[in-house]
Amino acid sequence: DGGITQSPKYLFRKEGQNVTLSCEQNLNHDAMYWYRQDPGQGLRLIYYSQIVNDFQKGDIAEGYSVSREKKESFPLTVTSAQKNPTAFYLCASRGGLNTEAFFGQGTRLTVV
Amino acid sequence: GQSLEQPSEVTAVEGAIVQINCTYQTSGFYGLSWYQQHDGGAPTFLSYNALDGLEETGRFSSFLSRSDSYGYLLLQELQMKDSASYFCAVTGSARQLTFGSGTQLTVLP
Repeated sequence: DGGITQSPKYLFRKEGQNVTLSCEQNLNHDAMYWYRQDPGQGLRLIYYSQIVNDFQKGDIAEGYSVSREKKESFPLTVTSAQKNPTAFYLCASRGGLNTEAFFGQGTRLTVV
Repeated sequence: GQSLEQPSEVTAVEGAIVQINCTYQTSGFYGLSWYQQHDGGAPTFLSYNALDGLEETGRFSSFLSRSDSYGYLLLQELQMKDSASYFCAVTGSARQLTFGSGTQLTVLP
């Protein structure tokens, strides 16, 4: 079945540690996105990528980094520079600008 | 940059019709889309408008006026399962997909 997979579903880390969230899709989509969602809030764009080996900062990129070495994969690293990393992280992909975005089930990151 | 505004909360009764408005500001415009998200879940696509007018998909319809930078989602024959958050989203010239802050819809029996 085609889809987009995020892992793990829940992640706990100690403050000061970097952590990498996985996002994999087998939909053959060029574009991939990372969003952060805080309780009761909307989706805020962190990074996005339109094509392999290229990505752009979104609205809240500080403290995060990404790579896009393969079309299928778009991992997000939450670095120790991110001041308030505890949140729900959502990855999405879409095949074109006028098509629907498909979301993974999200990763809930808790930093203690 | 891009920004979208939508009401934070809407309440309606089962069987009623509700309209969720969205106004946007964007550099370039590729279309306005709508997504539904239940608590704790992933957003799912509902509707998309690239041109002015009304798009109908079952009980859900979406409208766009590009000259007014305005759109709305219309939900008819409301059901309890429609209680969720609804987001409008826009793609601009930088090709990012930007979401509004969401509208929490509560459907009462």
